[in-house]
Amino acid sequence: QKEVEQNSGPLSVPEGAIASLNCTYSDRGSQSFFWYRQYSGKSPELIMFIYSNGDKEDGRFTAQLNKASQYVSLLIRDSQPSDSATYLCAVTIAGRRALTFGSGTRLQVQP
Amino acid sequence: GAVVSQHPSWVICKSGTSVKIECRSLDFQATTMFWYRQFPKQSLMLMATSNEGSKATYEQGVEKDKFLINHASLTLSTLTVTSAHPEDSSFYICITTNANTGELFFGEGSRLTVL
Repeated sequence: QKEVEQNSGPLSVPEGAIASLNCTYSDRGSQSFFWYRQYSGKSPELIMFIYSNGDKEDGRFTAQLNKASQYVSLLIRDSQPSDSATYLCAVTIAGRRALTFGSGTRLQVQP
Repeated sequence: GAVVSQHPSWVICKSGTSVKIECRSLDFQATTMFWYRQFPKQSLMLMATSNEGSKATYEQGVEKDKFLINHASLTLSTLTVTSAHPEDSSFYICITTNANTGELFFGEGSRLTVL
């Protein structure tokens, strides 16, 4: 079982719709959860991080964490074509400072 | 502007040659740097963790003699791919931590193509 799992996609949504990206993790000791956006050929850039159960909102983005279900999601409201990218979920596992990444979900926002 | 500078952004080399990639923190002391690689359509995989002034810690399956890491100063870590082969072609990314705040910063990445 992979430590961090994501559906590879592509997830296709129309412009203006809500995109929902999901991520599950296997280590119950995971402490911090991150969402990164990566454009082709570029380094990932941080969108949001979340530490506690519940929702965290930042502009059009909402991260949701459910530690009991070992599940973290990212909602993108009013999706724009510029949001088309691969979204990486990453976690820090207890005892390790390095991030463990999922394989990413490719999002396509159709104009 | 970028707080972590990674060079080169891309490099093409012949099989058997060595390639050095630099990761430099510009505004802070980076006691720890993480080196990752990413094959096409795959995740970022941790290769090694380097700590200033000490030997790097390599992940299982990563050859320390092939991927040489040097972290001789608080602002510079280098990854040298020795005797590169086509299967080493990948996107290499460094991630550094600000020693004071713990915040993570990504290098811009280096695309290595070995012919």
